[in-house]
Amino acid sequence: QSALTQPPSASGSPGQSVTIFCTGTNNDVGSYDYVSWYQQHPGKAPRLLIYEVTERPSGVPDRFSGSKSGNTASLTVSGLQADDEADYFCSSYAGYNNLLFGGGTKLTVL
Amino acid sequence: QLLLQESGPGLVKPSETLSLTCTVSGGSLTSSLYYWGWIRQTPGKGLEWIGGVSYTGTAYYNPSLESRVTISIDTSRSHFSLRLSSVVAADTAVYFCARENAGYEVDSWGQGILVTVS
Repeated sequence: QSALTQPPSASGSPGQSVTIFCTGTNNDVGSYDYVSWYQQHPGKAPRLLIYEVTERPSGVPDRFSGSKSGNTASLTVSGLQADDEADYFCSSYAGYNNLLFGGGTKLTVL
Repeated sequence: QLLLQESGPGLVKPSETLSLTCTVSGGSLTSSLYYWGWIRQTPGKGLEWIGGVSYTGTAYYNPSLESRVTISIDTSRSHFSLRLSSVVAADTAVYFCARENAGYEVDSWGQGILVTVS
């Protein structure tokens, strides 16, 4: 199976909102509400931001929100801050205990 | 606080077997709520799920790697392990051990270990 599709880059100015999309198929994103999003700063391990499409773990600011429509999931970062500059990855359950990741999106805060 | 720490050789020769261990502290491996897994990251291909194992030893693997991968668990020693056989240069990556939760989200990650095949 192929990785989920993400744009390689996205950008926004401080205070603005940015949405990152993650496109899969009806075998993964379209079939299961098990989409997660991760933030990764250089040299660090990824950090869970969103799980089950819309849920935030404790400690994650509500500036981060997730949604899904059909085969496409999205992560919105509101009120952009300098520290939001990082790589963002989506993942989706793909059946048979299989997990797919997206290729990652580099978010630049202008 | 749950901590996961990868260990193992940072350099493996082509055609040999990559072996890594993840030691878990601050939490139990014996919960039925979680899978314990391995994920790798390469600059060109991003993150790739390798597979996971439950506390009972039931394991699931990425179909693209299944023929070469074994993941095992030793709850008495609080660790789980990865073996990847017949490695090639394309297996060079940072390998993360991780905890996978009920919603297939990875909620805890090790710091990662770079393994070079050369």
